[in-house]
Amino acid sequence: AQKITQTQPGMFVQEKEAVTLDCTYDTSDPSYGLFWYKQPSSGEMIFLIYQGSYDQQNATEGRYSLNFQKARKSANLVISASQLGDSAMYFCAMSPNQAGTALIFGKGTTLSVSS
Amino acid sequence: ETGVTQTPRHLVMGMTNKKSLKCEQHLGHNAMYWYKQSAKKPLELMFVYNFKEQTENNSVPSRFSPECPNSSHLFLHLHTLQPEDSALYLCASQAGGQGSDTQYFGPGTRLTVL
Repeated sequence: AQKITQTQPGMFVQEKEAVTLDCTYDTSDPSYGLFWYKQPSSGEMIFLIYQGSYDQQNATEGRYSLNFQKARKSANLVISASQLGDSAMYFCAMSPNQAGTALIFGKGTTLSVSS
Repeated sequence: ETGVTQTPRHLVMGMTNKKSLKCEQHLGHNAMYWYKQSAKKPLELMFVYNFKEQTENNSVPSRFSPECPNSSHLFLHLHTLQPEDSALYLCASQAGGQGSDTQYFGPGTRLTVL
Protein backbone atom coordinates (compact mmCIF):
# COMPACT_ATOMS: atom_id res chain seq x y z
CA ALA A 1 0.00 0.00 0.00
CA GLN A 2 1.13 3.51 -0.69
CA LYS A 3 1.82 5.73 2.27
CA ILE A 4 3.24 9.16 3.10
CA THR A 5 4.84 9.81 6.47
CA GLN A 6 5.53 13.24 7.92
CA THR A 7 7.10 12.80 11.33
CA GLN A 8 7.28 16.44 12.41
CA PRO A 9 3.94 17.64 13.77
CA GLY A 10 5.35 21.13 14.30
CA MET A 11 8.43 23.09 13.31
CA PHE A 12 9.58 26.50 14.53
CA VAL A 13 11.96 28.78 12.64
CA GLN A 14 13.00 32.40 12.70
CA GLU A 15 12.61 34.73 9.77
CA LYS A 16 15.33 34.50 7.14
CA GLU A 17 16.43 31.07 8.30
CA ALA A 18 16.13 27.94 6.17
CA VAL A 19 13.95 25.06 7.28
CA THR A 20 13.59 21.45 6.14
CA LEU A 21 10.28 19.62 6.37
CA ASP A 22 10.62 15.86 6.26
CA CYS A 23 8.64 13.46 4.11
CA THR A 24 9.13 9.76 3.48
CA TYR A 25 7.00 7.64 1.23
CA ASP A 26 6.30 4.04 0.49
CA THR A 27 5.26 2.67 -2.86
CA SER A 28 5.98 -0.29 -5.10
CA ASP A 29 5.09 1.62 -8.25
CA PRO A 30 8.11 2.47 -10.42
CA SER A 31 6.50 5.67 -11.66
CA TYR A 32 5.02 8.22 -9.30
CA GLY A 33 4.90 11.91 -8.51
CA LEU A 34 5.60 13.71 -5.27
CA PHE A 35 3.97 17.02 -4.35
CA TRP A 36 4.14 19.56 -1.57
CA TYR A 37 1.19 21.76 -0.68
CA LYS A 38 0.83 24.64 1.76
CA GLN A 39 -2.40 25.16 3.69
CA PRO A 40 -2.78 28.49 5.52
CA SER A 41 -5.38 28.87 8.24
CA SER A 42 -7.87 29.99 5.58
CA GLY A 43 -8.01 26.37 4.40
CA GLU A 44 -6.98 26.71 0.77
CA MET A 45 -4.49 24.07 -0.40
CA ILE A 46 -1.74 25.80 -2.38
CA PHE A 47 0.52 23.80 -4.70
CA LEU A 48 4.22 24.48 -4.10
CA ILE A 49 6.43 22.01 -5.95
CA TYR A 50 6.45 18.71 -7.85
CA GLN A 51 9.05 15.98 -8.30
CA GLY A 52 8.68 13.07 -10.70
CA SER A 53 10.18 9.74 -9.78
CA TYR A 54 12.31 9.69 -12.92
CA ASP A 55 13.50 13.27 -12.63
CA GLN A 56 17.25 13.37 -12.30
CA GLN A 57 17.43 16.83 -10.84
CA ASN A 58 15.86 18.01 -7.60
CA ALA A 59 12.91 20.31 -8.24
CA THR A 60 13.17 23.99 -7.33
CA GLU A 61 10.56 26.75 -7.34
CA GLY A 62 11.77 30.08 -6.02
CA ARG A 63 12.49 29.68 -2.30
CA TYR A 64 11.25 26.08 -2.34
CA SER A 65 13.38 23.11 -3.24
CA LEU A 66 12.74 19.42 -2.93
CA ASN A 67 15.54 17.21 -1.64
CA PHE A 68 14.67 13.97 -3.44
CA GLN A 69 16.53 10.86 -2.31
CA LYS A 70 14.96 8.00 -4.20
CA ALA A 71 16.90 5.18 -2.57
CA ARG A 72 15.83 6.42 0.85
CA LYS A 73 12.30 7.16 -0.39
CA SER A 74 12.43 10.65 0.99
CA ALA A 75 11.24 13.93 -0.49
CA ASN A 76 12.03 16.68 1.98
CA LEU A 77 10.93 20.26 1.35
CA VAL A 78 13.50 22.96 1.95
CA ILE A 79 12.30 26.54 2.40
CA SER A 80 15.10 29.06 2.21
CA ALA A 81 14.93 32.51 3.84
CA SER A 82 11.69 31.89 5.74
CA GLN A 83 9.10 34.64 5.87
CA LEU A 84 6.27 35.29 8.32
CA GLY A 85 3.81 34.43 5.56
CA ASP A 86 5.26 30.92 5.39
CA SER A 87 3.51 30.05 8.66
CA ALA A 88 1.03 27.35 7.66
CA MET A 89 0.44 23.62 7.49
CA TYR A 90 2.54 21.80 4.89
CA PHE A 91 1.47 18.55 3.29
CA CYS A 92 3.53 16.06 1.34
CA ALA A 93 1.54 14.00 -1.17
CA MET A 94 2.13 11.25 -3.69
CA SER A 95 0.36 10.02 -6.78
CA PRO A 96 1.05 7.08 -9.06
CA ASN A 97 1.28 8.15 -12.70
CA GLN A 98 -2.13 6.86 -13.68
CA ALA A 99 -5.11 8.71 -15.03
CA GLY A 100 -7.58 10.00 -12.48
CA THR A 101 -5.66 8.80 -9.46
CA ALA A 102 -6.08 10.60 -6.19
CA LEU A 103 -3.29 12.07 -4.16
CA ILE A 104 -2.25 10.31 -0.98
CA PHE A 105 -1.47 12.85 1.70
CA GLY A 106 0.64 12.79 4.84
CA LYS A 107 -0.66 14.16 8.12
CA GLY A 108 1.12 17.46 7.63
CA THR A 109 3.64 19.62 9.47
CA THR A 110 2.74 22.94 11.05
CA LEU A 111 5.41 25.52 10.40
CA SER A 112 5.60 28.60 12.61
CA VAL A 113 7.87 31.46 11.54
CA SER A 114 8.71 34.12 14.12
CA SER A 115 10.33 37.51 13.76
CA GLU B 1 -6.50 32.40 -6.96
CA THR B 2 -6.05 28.91 -8.37
CA GLY B 3 -8.90 28.95 -10.88
CA VAL B 4 -11.01 26.62 -8.74
CA THR B 5 -13.89 28.15 -6.82
CA GLN B 6 -16.10 26.60 -4.18
CA THR B 7 -19.37 27.78 -2.73
CA PRO B 8 -20.43 28.23 -0.05
CA ARG B 9 -17.26 28.81 1.94
CA HIS B 10 -19.02 28.04 5.21
CA LEU B 11 -22.14 25.96 5.82
CA VAL B 12 -23.98 25.06 9.00
CA MET B 13 -26.75 22.51 8.66
CA GLY B 14 -28.92 20.31 10.77
CA MET B 15 -28.98 16.55 10.41
CA THR B 16 -32.28 16.60 8.54
CA ASN B 17 -31.33 19.28 6.03
CA LYS B 18 -30.45 18.83 2.37
CA LYS B 19 -27.75 21.05 0.94
CA SER B 20 -25.30 21.06 -1.96
CA LEU B 21 -21.68 22.10 -2.29
CA LYS B 22 -20.56 23.51 -5.60
CA CYS B 23 -17.16 23.47 -7.25
CA GLU B 24 -16.28 25.20 -10.50
CA GLN B 25 -12.98 25.21 -12.33
CA HIS B 26 -11.93 27.68 -15.00
CA LEU B 27 -8.76 25.84 -16.04
CA GLY B 28 -10.09 23.63 -18.82
CA HIS B 29 -9.27 20.54 -16.78
CA ASN B 30 -10.83 17.12 -17.28
CA ALA B 31 -10.57 15.50 -13.86
CA MET B 32 -12.21 16.70 -10.66
CA TYR B 33 -12.00 15.43 -7.11
CA TRP B 34 -13.77 15.72 -3.78
CA TYR B 35 -11.63 15.36 -0.64
CA LYS B 36 -12.64 15.49 3.01
CA GLN B 37 -10.32 16.98 5.63
CA SER B 38 -11.30 16.23 9.22
CA ALA B 39 -9.46 17.66 12.18
CA LYS B 40 -6.11 15.95 12.83
CA LYS B 41 -6.51 13.54 9.92
CA PRO B 42 -4.89 13.44 6.48
CA LEU B 43 -7.02 14.44 3.53
CA GLU B 44 -9.26 11.59 2.42
CA LEU B 45 -10.38 11.07 -1.14
CA MET B 46 -14.14 10.85 -1.59
CA PHE B 47 -14.86 10.85 -5.33
CA VAL B 48 -13.04 11.18 -8.65
CA TYR B 49 -14.55 12.25 -11.96
CA ASN B 50 -12.50 11.87 -15.12
CA PHE B 51 -14.05 13.29 -18.30
CA LYS B 52 -17.38 13.56 -16.42
CA GLU B 53 -17.40 9.86 -15.54
CA GLN B 54 -17.10 8.81 -11.93
CA THR B 55 -14.01 6.65 -11.75
CA GLU B 56 -13.66 6.27 -8.02
CA ASN B 57 -15.92 6.21 -4.99
CA ASN B 58 -13.80 5.72 -1.93
CA SER B 59 -16.43 3.85 0.15
CA VAL B 60 -18.29 7.05 0.87
CA PRO B 61 -21.67 6.76 2.67
CA SER B 62 -24.70 7.27 0.46
CA ARG B 63 -25.68 10.44 2.35
CA PHE B 64 -23.02 12.06 0.12
CA SER B 65 -24.02 12.12 -3.53
CA PRO B 66 -21.73 13.62 -6.20
CA GLU B 67 -22.82 15.06 -9.52
CA CYS B 68 -20.67 16.16 -12.44
CA PRO B 69 -22.89 17.69 -15.16
CA ASN B 70 -19.90 18.86 -17.22
CA SER B 71 -16.15 18.98 -16.93
CA SER B 72 -16.21 22.43 -15.30
CA HIS B 73 -18.69 21.79 -12.51
CA LEU B 74 -18.81 19.35 -9.64
CA PHE B 75 -21.44 19.14 -6.93
CA LEU B 76 -21.66 17.30 -3.66
CA HIS B 77 -25.24 16.79 -2.51
CA LEU B 78 -25.67 16.30 1.22
CA HIS B 79 -28.62 14.82 3.08
CA THR B 80 -29.21 13.45 6.57
CA LEU B 81 -25.62 14.07 7.60
CA GLN B 82 -24.13 13.20 10.96
CA PRO B 83 -22.12 15.47 13.29
CA GLU B 84 -18.99 13.46 12.44
CA ASP B 85 -19.36 14.66 8.84
CA SER B 86 -18.31 18.13 10.00
CA ALA B 87 -15.10 18.85 8.12
CA LEU B 88 -13.46 20.92 5.42
CA TYR B 89 -14.51 19.69 1.98
CA LEU B 90 -12.00 20.42 -0.72
CA CYS B 91 -12.50 20.23 -4.45
CA ALA B 92 -9.55 19.80 -6.82
CA SER B 93 -9.14 19.75 -10.56
CA GLN B 94 -6.45 18.21 -12.73
CA ALA B 95 -5.57 18.71 -16.38
CA GLY B 96 -5.50 15.34 -18.10
CA GLY B 97 -6.14 13.09 -15.15
CA GLN B 98 -2.58 11.78 -15.23
CA GLY B 99 -1.02 11.28 -11.82
CA SER B 100 1.86 13.56 -12.74
CA ASP B 101 -0.49 16.46 -13.45
CA THR B 102 -0.79 18.84 -10.55
CA GLN B 103 -4.10 18.97 -8.73
CA TYR B 104 -5.26 22.50 -8.04
CA PHE B 105 -7.53 23.00 -5.06
CA GLY B 106 -10.36 25.34 -4.31
CA PRO B 107 -10.61 27.22 -1.02
CA GLY B 108 -12.86 24.59 0.53
CA THR B 109 -16.24 24.56 2.23
CA ARG B 110 -16.13 24.37 6.00
CA LEU B 111 -19.15 22.29 6.96
CA THR B 112 -20.62 22.07 10.44
CA VAL B 113 -23.39 19.55 11.11
CA LEU B 114 -25.41 20.23 14.24
